[in-house]
Amino acid sequence: QKEVEQNSGPLSVPEGAIASLNCTYSDRGSQSFFWYRQYSGKSPELIMFIYSNGDKEDGRFTAQLNKASQYVSLLIRDSQPSDSATYLCAVNRNTGNQFYFGTGTSLTVIP
Amino acid sequence: NAGVTQTPKFRILKIGQSMTLQCTQDMNHNYMYWYRQDPGMGLKLIYYSVGAGITDKGEVPNGYNVSRSTTEDFPLRLELAAPSQTSVYFCASSDRTAGAYEQYFGPGTRLTVT
Repeated sequence: QKEVEQNSGPLSVPEGAIASLNCTYSDRGSQSFFWYRQYSGKSPELIMFIYSNGDKEDGRFTAQLNKASQYVSLLIRDSQPSDSATYLCAVNRNTGNQFYFGTGTSLTVIP
Repeated sequence: NAGVTQTPKFRILKIGQSMTLQCTQDMNHNYMYWYRQDPGMGLKLIYYSVGAGITDKGEVPNGYNVSRSTTEDFPLRLELAAPSQTSVYFCASSDRTAGAYEQYFGPGTRLTVT
């Protein structure tokens, strides 16, 4: 079983819609959960992280965490063509030592 | 701040050759990491370091070596390059801020072994 699983997509949404990206993880000791955006040919860029159950909002982005279900999601409201990228989910035991990444979900926002 | 810098940006190696990928960070972070990313795949951790003089293996360390003599630098050494090492290599650094370890990535090195 993979440490972190994501639907590879591609996920296509029209401009202005809500994009929903999902991630599940296997290690119940995971404490911190991260969402990265990666444009083609570029390095991952941190969007936000969450470590408490519930929702965390940052601008158009909302991360949702459910530790009981071992599930974390990212919602992008009012999606823009510039949001078209691959979104990577990562988890960590909050020790700074090891991060486990999913394979990413490719998102395309159609103008 | 330049953040995390990596050199070179691109490199082509012949099978059996060796090289060092350079990584430097100017954020005074204690933690540094080397990842590889194969096409359509996530990031796989090769090695990491929790501070100068301390390194440890990640998921895929075979064929690589690292050292950490200073806080700023974390070079990755490839000995006897093989085609399976063709990949994009990312260096990252982190420290604990606002309750979690936020990683910052360098621009990457695209390596081809032929």
